[in-house]
Amino acid sequence: KNEVEQSPQNLTAQEGEFITINCSYSVGISALHWLQQHPGGGIVSLFMLSSGKKKHGRLIATINIQEKHSSLHITASHPRDSAVYICAVSGGSNYKLTFGKGTLLTVNP
Amino acid sequence: DADVTQTPRNRITKTGKRIMLECSQTKGHDRMYWYRQDPGLGLRLIYYSFDVKDINKGEISDGYSVSRQAQAKFSLSLESAIPNQTALYFCATSDLNNSPLHFGNGTRLTVT
Repeated sequence: KNEVEQSPQNLTAQEGEFITINCSYSVGISALHWLQQHPGGGIVSLFMLSSGKKKHGRLIATINIQEKHSSLHITASHPRDSAVYICAVSGGSNYKLTFGKGTLLTVNP
Repeated sequence: DADVTQTPRNRITKTGKRIMLECSQTKGHDRMYWYRQDPGLGLRLIYYSFDVKDINKGEISDGYSVSRQAQAKFSLSLESAIPNQTALYFCATSDLNNSPLHFGNGTRLTVT
């Protein structure tokens, strides 16, 4: 079973700061997902990637397959970015997803 | 309206009671999943279904059962609830085997 580690577990930032959340995994994967969970519980899929880099608005996700590592970056952070960010890795199918424990991000105004 | 709807949003029940959590989707996806989230743990897969006639156990299926009544509906049942089934439950869908998941808003279940 893949081991998924996220760091940091908790992160507090000031509005406008550049944020980086890291995810490392132990076994080769077919895809990596980044999810966002807001207070109140709902989960939204941000990115799914298997190589390189993807960008959506102020969010950037990168993955290094050789190093078994992915990062989620948030530029010009805003209080509405406050959420739990979850990394999940796929062994070839969604039913083989292994989820990290999440990183709690708090962005203060 | 949400693409993936879970009902109820919150439920408190007593040990031994039978509980059903319902999930319906308007995305037209064949694949549906039930997950459980506990504090300090990652999401864990309870059951998944690839179509109406296909039901599969996930990582933690003991104490749970499911029913896929239609392509759009996937229900999770706790036949006899116990306190360690207190958790946040999520339904999710996807259109392909390895594609982004679409989650419902979750059901917070408390078993006393």
